[in-house]
Amino acid sequence: QKEVEQNSGPLSVPEGAIASLNCTYSDRGSQSFFWYRQYSGKSPELIMSIYSNGDKEDGRFTAQLNKASQYVSLLIRDSQPSDSATYLCAVNPRVGGNEKLTFGTGTRLTIIP
Amino acid sequence: GAGVSQSPSNKVTEKGKDVELRCDPISGHTALYWYRQSLGQGLEFLIYFQGNSAPDKSGLPSDRFSAERTGGSVSTLTIQRTQQEDSAVYLCASSLASGSYYGYTFGSGTRLTVV
Repeated sequence: QKEVEQNSGPLSVPEGAIASLNCTYSDRGSQSFFWYRQYSGKSPELIMSIYSNGDKEDGRFTAQLNKASQYVSLLIRDSQPSDSATYLCAVNPRVGGNEKLTFGTGTRLTIIP
Repeated sequence: GAGVSQSPSNKVTEKGKDVELRCDPISGHTALYWYRQSLGQGLEFLIYFQGNSAPDKSGLPSDRFSAERTGGSVSTLTIQRTQQEDSAVYLCASSLASGSYYGYTFGSGTRLTVV
């Protein structure tokens, strides 16, 4: 089982709709969770972080965390063509106390005008 | 600096040659990470430096790979006797203290092509 799993997509969403991206992780002790956006040919950019169960909202983005289900999601409201990118989920697995993030392989999102 | 700076942005090298990739982290960031990303693939951890602690080298794929960080700032990733499978984008990231809490800021990467 991969430590961080994401559906690779592509996920196509009409402009103006809600895009929902999901991520599951294997280590129950994980403490911090991040979403990165990566445009084609560019490096990842941090867009959201979440540490506690529940929802965290920032503009059109909402991160949701459920530690009991080992599940993290990212909702993008009022999707825009500029949201078309690959979204990477990253988790601190706390394996052996190593302080580095483990990344999923990403979900490719396409917003259809 | 304002962001994480990597150089060169692109590097084409012949198989068997050595290459050096440079990373200049954000000023004040004590943690520095190297990852690589092959075409269409996820991010693969290579090495992690935190302050004056011994680096976490657990992700280096072979002894042809090495990295150092001088003065707690600039880092150099060296690949000896390059192979075609080393072709990838090499990403450097830095963070305040432990990046696993704060998240990382990535540089723009070095695209390495081994021919």
